[in-house]
Amino acid sequence: EAQVTQNPRYLITVTGKKLTVTCSQNMNHEYMSWYRQDPGLGLRQIYYSMNVEVTDKGDVPEGYKVSRKEKRNFPLILESPSPNQTSLYFCASSLGLQETQYFGPGTRLLVL
Amino acid sequence: RKEVEQDPGPFNVPEGATVAFNCTYSNSASQSFFWYRQDCRKEPKLLMSVYSSGNEDGRFTAQLNRASQYISLLIRDSKLSDSATYLCVVNMNTGGFKTIFGAGTRLFVKA
Repeated sequence: EAQVTQNPRYLITVTGKKLTVTCSQNMNHEYMSWYRQDPGLGLRQIYYSMNVEVTDKGDVPEGYKVSRKEKRNFPLILESPSPNQTSLYFCASSLGLQETQYFGPGTRLLVL
Repeated sequence: RKEVEQDPGPFNVPEGATVAFNCTYSNSASQSFFWYRQDCRKEPKLLMSVYSSGNEDGRFTAQLNRASQYISLLIRDSKLSDSATYLCVVNMNTGGFKTIFGAGTRLFVKA
């Protein structure tokens, strides 16, 4: 089954404790993105990747890091999480730059 | 001004009604356009792509007006199952690939 998976789905952590949210797709898509969704603000792009080893900032990259060492994986790293990073996070992938994006199920993060 | 703006919701309509959503975008470098549907904080799912020639998929019709930088979605014969948030999405290439989501319009279809 073609899909985007994210782990963990739910996470409660404390300020400053490094964490990684994994994202994996099995569709051989070149493009992958991370978004956060907050009430009243909609989805905002954090980082995106056009291919292996090619990443770029979206609209809200501060406090996040990403890597793309393999085509299928695009982990989101929070080196020192803060409460303002409490949010719902979605990973997405697409075949090409202007193509439909397929989303993972989301990761709910609470930073205390 | 937001780069992608949608009608503020919520829209409350009876079953069988026709409802129209509007979306405007500000960046002329915008290249591809979509409507996504999102149910109660689940992942967004593609409803349809939007083309200048307009496109229809069953009860749903989407249109793009590049000159006015305007996108629309029309839902005919609304069903209870159409209740969701509808997201207008614009991809643009401004030296980097960027995806901008509208804040979404909530639709409630009631019996």
